[in-house]
Amino acid sequence: NAGVTQTPKFRVLKTGQSMTLLCAQDMNHEYMYWYRQDPGMGLRLIHYSVGEGTTAKGEVPDGYNVSRLKKQNFLLGLESAAPSQTSVYFCASRDWTGRDGYTFGSGTRLTVV
Amino acid sequence: AQSVTQLGSHVSVSEGALVLLRCNYSSSVPPYLFWYVQYPNQGLQLLLKYTSAATLVKGINGFEAEFKKSETSFHLTKPSAHMSDAAEYFCAVIPNSGYSTLTFGKGTMLLVSP
Repeated sequence: NAGVTQTPKFRVLKTGQSMTLLCAQDMNHEYMYWYRQDPGMGLRLIHYSVGEGTTAKGEVPDGYNVSRLKKQNFLLGLESAAPSQTSVYFCASRDWTGRDGYTFGSGTRLTVV
Repeated sequence: AQSVTQLGSHVSVSEGALVLLRCNYSSSVPPYLFWYVQYPNQGLQLLLKYTSAATLVKGINGFEAEFKKSETSFHLTKPSAHMSDAAEYFCAVIPNSGYSTLTFGKGTMLLVSP
């Protein structure tokens, strides 16, 4: 089925470890996004990309890096995980018009201990 | 800059009662507006959208929303709540295709009691 796929779905990290979350979309969307969702905080934008090879900072970019080497993939990296990065991470994508809003992945639940 | 305000972080209704979730937005240009639903431990799913066609928009699962420009509102309604409607609902706005990101409200948790 067409959509946005996130891997992994769950992960437990120790403080200081690194990891990469992968987001893949098969809808040929230009725009891709990474959000984190925490209780009472709603969705907060970490980084986003408006096309292959481009990235931009969102509301809460510190401690994260991203790359978009291929149009269909958007990677979110944590270089040195901290307990404050325990969260549920969502990837989303949209086409250039924005008329259909975002398509979201099912999320990655990350716990940093 | 655009913003979205959802009145009430939690709304409780009885099964069979009217559901009304409020959303007000600010935008300098005619916007695209969206409602998303998030069931527990799942991602966000598009419920309905307004993109400058009919002001009354029908979505999935019997929900609808009306765009009122004069009130800058896009409230979500359903005539009769079902237990399966219990979820978190997010309103979102994007001024038009020239903008890169949607602005989301903080979300409203809908609780449905028997």
